[in-house]
Amino acid sequence: AQSVTQLDSHVSVSEGTPVLLRCNYSSSYSPSLFWYVQHPNKGLQLLLKYTSAATLVKGINGFEAEFKKSETSFHLTKPSAHMSDAAEYFCVVSGATSGTYKYIFGTGTRLKVLA
Amino acid sequence: GAGVSQSPSNKVTEKGKDVELRCDPISGHTALYWYRQSLGQGLEFLIYFQGNSAPDKSGLPSDRFSAERTGGSVSTLTIQRTQQEDSAVYLCASSSQGDALEQYFGPGTRLTVT
Repeated sequence: AQSVTQLDSHVSVSEGTPVLLRCNYSSSYSPSLFWYVQHPNKGLQLLLKYTSAATLVKGINGFEAEFKKSETSFHLTKPSAHMSDAAEYFCVVSGATSGTYKYIFGTGTRLKVLA
Repeated sequence: GAGVSQSPSNKVTEKGKDVELRCDPISGHTALYWYRQSLGQGLEFLIYFQGNSAPDKSGLPSDRFSAERTGGSVSTLTIQRTQQEDSAVYLCASSSQGDALEQYFGPGTRLTVT
């Protein structure tokens, strides 16, 4: 079985300071992991994905995440927050399960960026 | 269009009525997924279609929910005898055979049951 836990439901940072959104996963085999962002009243947009290649993954808008198997983590980081980063972020685990690549979503982390 | 489209964008219905939600996947994508996003349950998988294979219906919450995919393209999610707890945003996603892992999401249909 697969599951994903986002450790913080809300994170607030000041503009220009680093962002850290935490995600831990559970999977009985090598997972694929994703981060998606959802701006208010908008659809889900893929930020980055890990699919068993390089463990440090770079995504759009300056975000990156590191896959750490020993810690079963896939935390999302950004060196300097921008006001436009305010949104909800979802960590997702997937992988072929009975032929289905369905996504298992975390509960989301709402990021607030303070001016 | 280039992306996944869904219609209607908003739907308000009375309790007990049936509703149909439509999804147009990206052209050529063989896999199609439905998810539901609600305040109490977060984002949850509903159903999956892949080519001509039998769909994976393991996420459908009750027998009031059904979905079909005609001609390997457009999909319709039907909710019969709607209940207030069905109020949610219903998201559709599609993926290609070449990269089955990456799903592209539509903007969703916001369903409100009064």
